[in-house]
Amino acid sequence: EAGVAQSPRYKIIEKRQSVAFWCNPISGHATLYWYQQILGQGPKLLIQFQNNGVVDDSQLPKDRFSAERLKGVDSTLKIQPAKLEDSAVYLCASSFGADTQYFGPGTRLTVL
Amino acid sequence: GQQVMQIPQYQHVQEGEDFTTYCNSSTTLSNIQWYKQRPGGHPVFLIQLVKSGEVKKQKRLTFQFGEAKKNSSLHITATQTTDVGTYFCAGFYSNYQLIWGAGTKLIIKP
Repeated sequence: EAGVAQSPRYKIIEKRQSVAFWCNPISGHATLYWYQQILGQGPKLLIQFQNNGVVDDSQLPKDRFSAERLKGVDSTLKIQPAKLEDSAVYLCASSFGADTQYFGPGTRLTVL
Repeated sequence: GQQVMQIPQYQHVQEGEDFTTYCNSSTTLSNIQWYKQRPGGHPVFLIQLVKSGEVKKQKRLTFQFGEAKKNSSLHITATQTTDVGTYFCAGFYSNYQLIWGAGTKLIIKP
């Protein structure tokens, strides 16, 4: 079966610019997660969707980050405007319920 | 709030020595998952523990879940170079919140 797809794989922007990441989960997985992983740290959960509803977005900086999951399948994560400290790898994962999470390859964001 | 503490941050071992990483939660977990992340890669699922006192083995890896469902450990016997990476625990709580530990980086000395 196909894995979790993410794009782009790499993105370089200047601070105050906007950026968007896309994720296509494994078919049939109702739960989708977006994580931020700063170099040398563990993944930090930004938002968790169950179908197209939000389960947990308590760690999402809502003044600049937004995420949506239209039709309960694909998801996009947006940052507007970006700050230097947003430089990180953004990981998308999906699961069948609260079960094994399968991760995509991630998007490495560099903010200059 | 809920927290998952993972120790140690790093562990240097000689090839063939054992390795252990520990996770502790401030409150009771619904379940706990373990992941391995190789340098430059993404986390890969290893195992999920659900029951109080549960012990699971995968070849040289032994996973334990505490009786109170607040702590867990991963033990690797006789480490090999292929074991190199960072091991993370991720705790699920009854309110569906998911908290990750900071990870333990396993470094094998030549």
